[in-house]
Amino acid sequence: QLQLQESGPGLVKPSETLSLICTVSGGSISSSIHYWGWIRQPPGKGLEWIGSISYSGSTYYNPSLESRVTISVDTSKNQFSLKLNSVTAADTAVYYCARVILYYYGSGRYSPFGWLDPWGQGTLVTVSS
Amino acid sequence: ENVLTQSPGTLSLSPGERATLSCRASQSVSSTYLAWYQQKPGQAPRLLIYGASSRATGIPDRFSGSGSGTDFTLTISRLEPEDFAVYYCQQYGDSPQTFGQGTKVEIK
Repeated sequence: QLQLQESGPGLVKPSETLSLICTVSGGSISSSIHYWGWIRQPPGKGLEWIGSISYSGSTYYNPSLESRVTISVDTSKNQFSLKLNSVTAADTAVYYCARVILYYYGSGRYSPFGWLDPWGQGTLVTVSS
Repeated sequence: ENVLTQSPGTLSLSPGERATLSCRASQSVSSTYLAWYQQKPGQAPRLLIYGASSRATGIPDRFSGSGSGTDFTLTISRLEPEDFAVYYCQQYGDSPQTFGQGTKVEIK
């Protein structure tokens, strides 16, 4: 079955760039009916949607993070990635990647948004000097 | 953005009891665009319900979702020991997609 796995540094210094990769296995990232998303969860808190990307590179970002976020995709490696620059302690969180199952409007049209399934196991990124 | 408010914050129940969790949106959400997730400590969230009332693959039928407009409900008909966890609702009809703050279902 489809599995996602996050990877990247667990510690990032303030003002630097957080970089994570999500590797998709058990299926192709090149699907026209799915997007691929990043979500984060600060310790002991709730979930925050960061953004998502299609296999062709179309992106949607949370406006609260848009100025600092870049999500990209590498179909040859079946991976997508997250970069968050100018990090502060407030960016300390568990970062999850997930497949976005797009809502189908009908007549061949899909919403760029949808529900998240499955999720990766998550990776804790701490911002500290 | 569409703010989702979940209540109660914590629900203390015994195994076998019925759990009713609420998710209220600040703006109307098409019932097509509401999902529920379960999260256990140290684990990623797991999809339970999408489209407000459709169970995800492999989810037991003791889990059910309902609602429309701004008020949605997740019901667990009879709590099993493995159901004690935190539950989140998510709306995906508007950008940014947003989550509720969660309801913790704990053992009484």
